[in-house]
Amino acid sequence: EPEVTQTPSHQVTQMGQEVILRCVPISNHLYFYWYRQILGQKVEFLVSFYNNEISEKSEIFDDQFSVERPDGSNFTLKIRSTKLEDSAMYFCASSRARGTGELFFGEGSRLTVL
Amino acid sequence: DQQVKQNSPSLSVQEGRISILNCDYTNSMFDYFLWYKKYPAEGPTFLISISSIKDKNEDGRFTVFLNKSAKHLSLHIVPSQPGDSAVYFCAAHNNAGNMLTFGGGTRLMVKP
Repeated sequence: EPEVTQTPSHQVTQMGQEVILRCVPISNHLYFYWYRQILGQKVEFLVSFYNNEISEKSEIFDDQFSVERPDGSNFTLKIRSTKLEDSAMYFCASSRARGTGELFFGEGSRLTVL
Repeated sequence: DQQVKQNSPSLSVQEGRISILNCDYTNSMFDYFLWYKKYPAEGPTFLISISSIKDKNEDGRFTVFLNKSAKHLSLHIVPSQPGDSAVYFCAAHNNAGNMLTFGGGTRLMVKP
């Protein structure tokens, strides 16, 4: 069964460092997303991406964050200068269509900022 | 932000019995509701959904009920199995978008 894959599974970084989280969405999906879950809190929407541009983003997704689809398969989330409060599990997701909410999630990348 | 709430952080049920997980929402613009299941060290997995034009959707052992006037939905699992033990998230979205708003989750434990 096709799945969304994420790397790395866990990254530890120093505050102020740049981090790139990578995702390979399911190949015939057109919509891509990043969500995050801070320990003990809800899963929160960060950004959605379609046709090589951001289609929606939340208040969390400020200028420190950016997304890119550098080639036909990868979808990346970059955090320019990490803060302690960026420590969370980051989930990539993809979907075939818009409007159903039936997203396929990866296993997540745990980011720990020290 | 409490637009989607799951008031029970955990639920314990005997194998073979019914599990009922509840979810309340406040945003009347939500028009599509979903349940996701999450095992430890995995991402959420889509389980079942319901459009706001329906009040019930069934898929095998899983049934979702929507009460729009009460802004409440529930997930019924019958019969419950030990493999159903996981965290269940209620989620909602509106305007044909895919920006999901999640509840806080309910940890279901099904005892053999």
